[in-house]
Amino acid sequence: EAQVTQNPRYLITVTGKKLTVTCSQNMNHEYMSWYRQDPGLGLRQIYYSMNVEVTDKGDVPEGYKVSRKEKRNFPLILESPSPNQTSLYFCASSSSLSGTGLEKLFFGSGTQLSVL
Amino acid sequence: AQSVAQPEDQVNVAEGNPLTVKCTYSVSGNPYLFWYVQYPNRGLQFLLKYITGDNLVKGSYGFEAEFNKSQTSFHLKKPSALVSDSALYFCAVEKYNFNKFYFGSGTKLNVKP
Repeated sequence: EAQVTQNPRYLITVTGKKLTVTCSQNMNHEYMSWYRQDPGLGLRQIYYSMNVEVTDKGDVPEGYKVSRKEKRNFPLILESPSPNQTSLYFCASSSSLSGTGLEKLFFGSGTQLSVL
Repeated sequence: AQSVAQPEDQVNVAEGNPLTVKCTYSVSGNPYLFWYVQYPNRGLQFLLKYITGDNLVKGSYGFEAEFNKSQTSFHLKKPSALVSDSALYFCAVEKYNFNKFYFGSGTKLNVKP
């Protein structure tokens, strides 16, 4: 089954304690991206990657890191989490078609992060 | 600045009635337009996409969307709402060749029996 898998589903941590949210897709997609969802703000892009070893900042990258060492994995790293990073996080992937831009996004089920 | 607006936080409709969820955008060029739906405790799911051509696009679960270039709008519609359509709906715009999606703030659709 084609899917984007995020882990963990729920995460409670304390300020300053490094954490990683994993994301994996089995569709051989070139494009992967991280979003955070906050009430009234919709989804905002944190980082995206067009392929292995190619990453770029989205609209709200501060406080986050990513890496793309393999095509299927795109982990989100919070080196020193702060309470304002409490949010619902989604990983998404898409195929990239020459001449027509990106195809539709496939989303993971989300990670609810609480930073105390 | 690029932006996507969903002017209604919530839309209430009776089952069997037509529904409209509104979306307007301000993105330069000829962007691609999407609608996604989010059910509780789930990720977003693709409903439909407009690239070019016919202004009326048909998608999943009986939904359709009407593109209006002069009004830069892309409203989601369904002729007859179901209670199971109750969910959070997001309009999204992809700026071609910029590898970025811009999302609206979401509209909660409540369909009452």
